[in-house]
Amino acid sequence: DAKTTQPPSMDCAEGRAANLPCNHSTISGNEYVYWYRQIHSQGPQYIIHGLKNNETNEMASLIITEDRKSSTLILPHATLRDTAVYYCIVRAIGNQFYFGTGTSLTVIP
Amino acid sequence: DAGVIQSPRHEVTEMGQEVTLRCKPISGHNSLFWYRQTMMRGLELLIYFNNNVPIDDSGMPEDRFSAKMPNASFSTLKIQPSEPRDSAVYFCASRLQGSSTEAFFGQGTRLTVV
Repeated sequence: DAKTTQPPSMDCAEGRAANLPCNHSTISGNEYVYWYRQIHSQGPQYIIHGLKNNETNEMASLIITEDRKSSTLILPHATLRDTAVYYCIVRAIGNQFYFGTGTSLTVIP
Repeated sequence: DAGVIQSPRHEVTEMGQEVTLRCKPISGHNSLFWYRQTMMRGLELLIYFNNNVPIDDSGMPEDRFSAKMPNASFSTLKIQPSEPRDSAVYFCASRLQGSSTEAFFGQGTRLTVV
C-alpha cells in the first residue's frame, strides 16, 4: 500500500472548519483513501473513505485531488470532542489497514 | 450490533504469567485483526485472519505471542510468558473481507505487565 504523509499536529478554533491534509503521491489506481480518528484511550473510529470522487457523510467531507496524490479531510464545524489523532490510510481491497503517526488535532475553545 | 467486543478492558499481571486477551467480532464479519499500540511504535498490526484462518502473522513480535480463531465469533491473543515490554493497548478489529468497507475496532485491552 502507498505511504501517506500528514502534519504531526494542527490546531483549530471551535466552530471553525478543520482541514486536515494528507499526501499520498504514490497511490495506485485501485487504492482507496480512508480516514480514521482516535480519541484518547479509545479504539480507532472510522470517519470516511473514497476512491476518486469527493465524499461527504454526517461526520466529515473528503476531498481528493484529481491526480489522487493528496486529499483533505474537512470537519465543517469543529467541536471540542473532535480533538483526536486523525489517521489517513491508503489501502487496496484485500490489503490491510496500516496506521502511520497521524495528525494530532486540537480544537481550541 | 454491539460492535467489536474485547475483554478484559484492563489487565495487570506479573512478569512471567500467561495473559489471554479475547475478542468477539461483529456478526457477519469474516476478517479479524489484532493490533498493538504503544507510545513508541504507534499502532502495529500483529496478525489477521480471514474466515478464521491466520493469513499473515508477520507482525507478531516473537514466539511468546500466539493468536487463535476457533470460530467466526471468537478470537484470542495469548502472551506466554509475559514481559514488561508487552505493556500496551491491544485492539481487535473486524471487517467484511473483499470489499472497500471499513474495519471496526473494539475499545481495546490495556495490558500492564509488572
